[in-house]
Amino acid sequence: QVQLVQSGAEVKKPGSSVKVSCKASGGTFSSYAISWVRQAPGQGLEWMGGIIPIFGTANYAQKFQGRVTITTDESTSTAYMELSSLRSEDTAVYYCARGGSGSYKGRYYYYYMDVWGKGTTVTVSS
Amino acid sequence: DIQMTQSPSSLSASVGDRVTITCRASQGISNSLAWYQQKPGKAPKLLLYAASRLESGVPSRFSGSGSGTDYTLTISSLQPEDFATYYCQQYYSTPPTFGQGTKVEIK
Repeated sequence: QVQLVQSGAEVKKPGSSVKVSCKASGGTFSSYAISWVRQAPGQGLEWMGGIIPIFGTANYAQKFQGRVTITTDESTSTAYMELSSLRSEDTAVYYCARGGSGSYKGRYYYYYMDVWGKGTTVTVSS
Repeated sequence: DIQMTQSPSSLSASVGDRVTITCRASQGISNSLAWYQQKPGKAPKLLLYAASRLESGVPSRFSGSGSGTDYTLTISSLQPEDFATYYCQQYYSTPPTFGQGTKVEIK
């Protein structure tokens, strides 16, 4: 059964970037979507973006457009999420999650997420 | 983006109680709805998808229903391990969006 193993906690300065990894263990994810979801302290879940390797495309929530980049390395079954221009409000737990996906008329769809990583805590502080 | 509104934001219940959580979408989502359970310090866990389909391994006391814009998660007899926060998520359109969560606490 596939597990998603995320990289360790990070402490970053405002204005810097962070890159979090998510490695599929026990399987691959090329036929699935990988989403990145974050959760600020005491807050709810927020979808940041995702990637569908089989379509070779990444999609981002408008809030994070221009600041987030999601990539995959299929040779190692690893997905990456890089967030730049960090500010204190980016302090959160960042989860990767696997889910189904689809495409219709040039649009890409991210379905429910059935496998989640344990999360990576990113703290942004001067 | 489709807005998802859950109610209530929190509730207190006792072991054995029947609990219902509601999720309303800002437009019709054709049963493209999932429910997750999250315990403190843990990742969310998928409970149901397609509004009413139980994920493998999830106890049958969890059920889902609804159509159009309105959906419900029901726990038929609350167990001690069910005290957690529950989120709905629509996947009818991109970006997928979550409700704000419902915290189920011990009365």
